[in-house]
Amino acid sequence: DAGITQSPRHKVTETGTPVTLRCHQTENHRYMYWYRQDPGHGLRLIHYSYGVKDTDKGEVSDGYSVSRSKTEDFLLTLESATSSQTSVYFCAISPGLGTDTQYFGPGTRLTVL
Amino acid sequence: GESVGLHLPTLSVQEGDNSIINCAYSNSASDYFIWYKQESGKGPQFIIDIRSNMDKRQGQRVTVLLNKTVKHLSLQIAATQPGDSAVYFCAEKKNAGNMLTFGGGTRLMVKP
Repeated sequence: DAGITQSPRHKVTETGTPVTLRCHQTENHRYMYWYRQDPGHGLRLIHYSYGVKDTDKGEVSDGYSVSRSKTEDFLLTLESATSSQTSVYFCAISPGLGTDTQYFGPGTRLTVL
Repeated sequence: GESVGLHLPTLSVQEGDNSIINCAYSNSASDYFIWYKQESGKGPQFIIDIRSNMDKRQGQRVTVLLNKTVKHLSLQIAATQPGDSAVYFCAEKKNAGNMLTFGGGTRLMVKP
């Protein structure tokens, strides 16, 4: 998985609780992304980062926030989890510098009860 | 809105045969296309990519063809093996920006 780890790999939480997912890379890539994958919707971009402390919204950013305080870590936070946020979350990285290929992590399965 | 889509949701092939997975895109401004393979319970795995200034690109047992005239992308897998069974999906990148738009995926099933 191209030097990408995600934690936790599985999480069950209750509606209204805050949740933070972590993506860690050892590739020193500039770009990092958070996607969610749901049946019938494929992969949809939540947020992405193009450098330390530089982030932007994706297609489905409502209810999510991100932070990137150092190159290797990209955090996704659900401030108050809802059942509609039950999904599999994938982190991806890309070196930039003319290379558009994105490499994905193993995913986190989140269930919100 | 503009999107990347697939013609066939499920493709079943005999082991040893060649597989062709198709993808239609609608954004003529896209300059980069990529294919991923995803096995159950795993993250998408990069297979092959192609830029819009090319029509064909080959890898190990895989070939990607790009037809910009009809906005069509295909992935060919030669001598399909049981280990090729997975969901395959394409993605495109618009000329500006660093974001990919993904299609819904095609499930490839390889019969022994």
